[in-house]
Amino acid sequence: DVKVTQSSRYLVKRTGEKVFLECVQDMDHENMFWYRQDPGLGLRLIYFSYDVKMKEKGDIPEGYSVSREKKERFSLILESASTNQTSMYLCASHYRGGNNQPQHFGDGTRLSIL
Amino acid sequence: AQKITQTQPGMFVQEKEAVTLDCTYDTSDPSYGLFWYKQPSSGEMIFLIYQGSYDQQNATEGRYSLNFQKARKSANLVISASQLGDSAMYFCAMRGPLSTGNQFYFGTGTSLTVIP
Repeated sequence: DVKVTQSSRYLVKRTGEKVFLECVQDMDHENMFWYRQDPGLGLRLIYFSYDVKMKEKGDIPEGYSVSREKKERFSLILESASTNQTSMYLCASHYRGGNNQPQHFGDGTRLSIL
Repeated sequence: AQKITQTQPGMFVQEKEAVTLDCTYDTSDPSYGLFWYKQPSSGEMIFLIYQGSYDQQNATEGRYSLNFQKARKSANLVISASQLGDSAMYFCAMRGPLSTGNQFYFGTGTSLTVIP
């Protein structure tokens, strides 16, 4: 079974802190994604990566950065956390080829910025 | 551009009844994949069912089936014999072409409540 592991289920940080969310997948997937999920807005793409050291902006990249130094790990960084970044963050990955390949998700991180 | 629309923010169904969750999509790409996910209150996203754009038959997975109407660009999820454990958020998604990095495009979700 594919396993996508996010480092924390719940996280509480303070305004202005630098926050790191880690995601690791064990299936050698090329593509990895970070979403944030807010009620009524569905999943919004922050950043994605289709290879090591590669990154692409999604729909809402402002205030975030990412790092992919190894194929299995994709990190989301909140450079200076703000209260409007309080949200559920979901990491996902999938194989590059084939329309039938689903995205596999981690369990999510509920992040609160105080 | 790819787009997924789910017009039902919330749905209720009696236990053991069937329910249909609506999903329409928009794409100009002839080759695409459509997916449904379930998200219980615990937060994890669970892949339920897949339909390919060239598939002739509607996909089925146990109590889940996908009513795929290509000309109408709809991919509705049908859950038969609803159970209390089916209460969750349901998301429809489309896998985009390689030019988008094979991004997934998600709808805003439908909250399903199964009533005993």
